[in-house]
Amino acid sequence: GAGVSQSPSNKVTEKGKDVELRCDPISGHTALYWYRQSLGQGLEFLIYFQGNSAPDKSGLPSDRFSAERTGGSVSTLTIQRTQQEDSAVYLCASSRVAPPLSPLHFGNGTRLTVT
Amino acid sequence: TQLLEQSPQFLSIQEGENLTVYCNSSSVFSSLQWYRQEPGEGPVLLVTVVTGGEVKKLKRLTFQFGDARKDSSLHITAAQPGDTGLYLCAGAPLAAGNKLTFGGGTRVLVKP
Repeated sequence: GAGVSQSPSNKVTEKGKDVELRCDPISGHTALYWYRQSLGQGLEFLIYFQGNSAPDKSGLPSDRFSAERTGGSVSTLTIQRTQQEDSAVYLCASSRVAPPLSPLHFGNGTRLTVT
Repeated sequence: TQLLEQSPQFLSIQEGENLTVYCNSSSVFSSLQWYRQEPGEGPVLLVTVVTGGEVKKLKRLTFQFGDARKDSSLHITAAQPGDTGLYLCAGAPLAAGNKLTFGGGTRVLVKP
C-alpha cells in the first residue's frame, strides 16, 4: 500500500514569499503530525491533528505558520512571508490511531530553502 | 533544554564494535519509541518500549526502558555499515497527551 506522500520534495523560494507544503497521509490514519528538522538535527514538533478534534498548534514557531487538514485526510502547511531561518526539512507523519503506542509513518519530507 | 536528551550526539566506530546510545528525561513516559533515519528519508520505527525495566531485542539491537520510565538505551552489538544513520528516541510525557516529542538524535557512523 501507499505510504505517506509529501510534495513538493524540494522547494526553493525567495525571502518574503508564501509557500504551501502538502501531505497525503496513509488512508484511514486518524492522526497526522508536522515536524521540522534542521540539518542533521532532531525533529521539532509543529502541529498535531487527531480526528475531528481541535489541532494542537503549540509547536508553531510564529503566526506566519498555519496548517489545515481537510476532510480528515490531506494536510497543508502554509508559511507566509518566508524567512531564511525557515529553511529546513518539513516532515509529515501519520498513525492509525493516536500515539504514543501507535507508530508514526513518515513521508520523505519537503526540503525548503529560502534565499 | 530538550525534553528528551540523547547522548552522544555523534558516534563513529569500526565495523564489529559495539555501541550504546542513551535517551534521558526528567519526565515520565508511558512508552518510548526508537526510530532510525537515513539521508533523504523520513524516520522509520525500530521499536516501542512500554513497561518499566523492559528489554527488547531486534537481531543485534537491544533496547531497554528504565525502571522509572524516564530513560531508555539502544545497544548495537557487532555494528555493521548498514547500521549507519540517525537514531532518534521519541515519546509523549504523561502530562502532554499525544504530543510526540523527539530527542535531538544520535548520528552513528560505522566504518568498514
